[in-house]
Amino acid sequence: DAGVTQSPTHLIKTRGQQVTLRCSPISGHKSVSWYQQVLGQGPQFIFQYYEKEERGRGNFPDRFSARQFPNYSSELNVNALLLGDSALYLCASSLITEAFFGQGTRLTVV
Amino acid sequence: ILNVEQSPQSLHVQEGDSTNFTCSFPSSNFYALHWYRWETAKSPEALFVMTLNGDEKKKGRISATLNTKEGYSYLYIKGSQPEDSATYLCAGVGAGSYQLTFGKGTKLSVIP
Repeated sequence: DAGVTQSPTHLIKTRGQQVTLRCSPISGHKSVSWYQQVLGQGPQFIFQYYEKEERGRGNFPDRFSARQFPNYSSELNVNALLLGDSALYLCASSLITEAFFGQGTRLTVV
Repeated sequence: ILNVEQSPQSLHVQEGDSTNFTCSFPSSNFYALHWYRWETAKSPEALFVMTLNGDEKKKGRISATLNTKEGYSYLYIKGSQPEDSATYLCAGVGAGSYQLTFGKGTKLSVIP
């Protein structure tokens, strides 16, 4: 069975640009969450979506947005990139309580 | 759950040693505690989800306990092996919340 897949695996963007990260959940999972992990810290919650509705939002600026599609895949968008947005972005899908993570997208902002 | 703390930050043990780490969290408004193992360049791997005070769970040589009254969980590894080298993360979930609040992790290195 395919696990959670994220694309791209790595990308480099310039300050001020916009980026879109993609996530495909495990088949049958209707909930997708996004986390940001910077070096030396644990992952920080950004968003959770369930059945295409936003269920929770972490303490991130409005430059961060997300959506979930009818097939339960999800996109995370970040506008006006800052150097501090450089991080590993993790997507997790869940059925009930247990969350399964993808390998993440490593975003570098230069 | 706003603040989850883990200790120690890092740990070096010899192959065959047993070890344990601590995860502490506010005992009020608690719903669940998750443990993950995260190896470099891989996805975080779910180990345990624990909800009840006194819960004990086991997976091979790894086990975990939960004390919700005092707000801590222990993860134990018996007879550490080099393949146990990873960062171990715990994450709390508060009542009525859907987000995982992670600690910074404990980085375990097992020396052959």
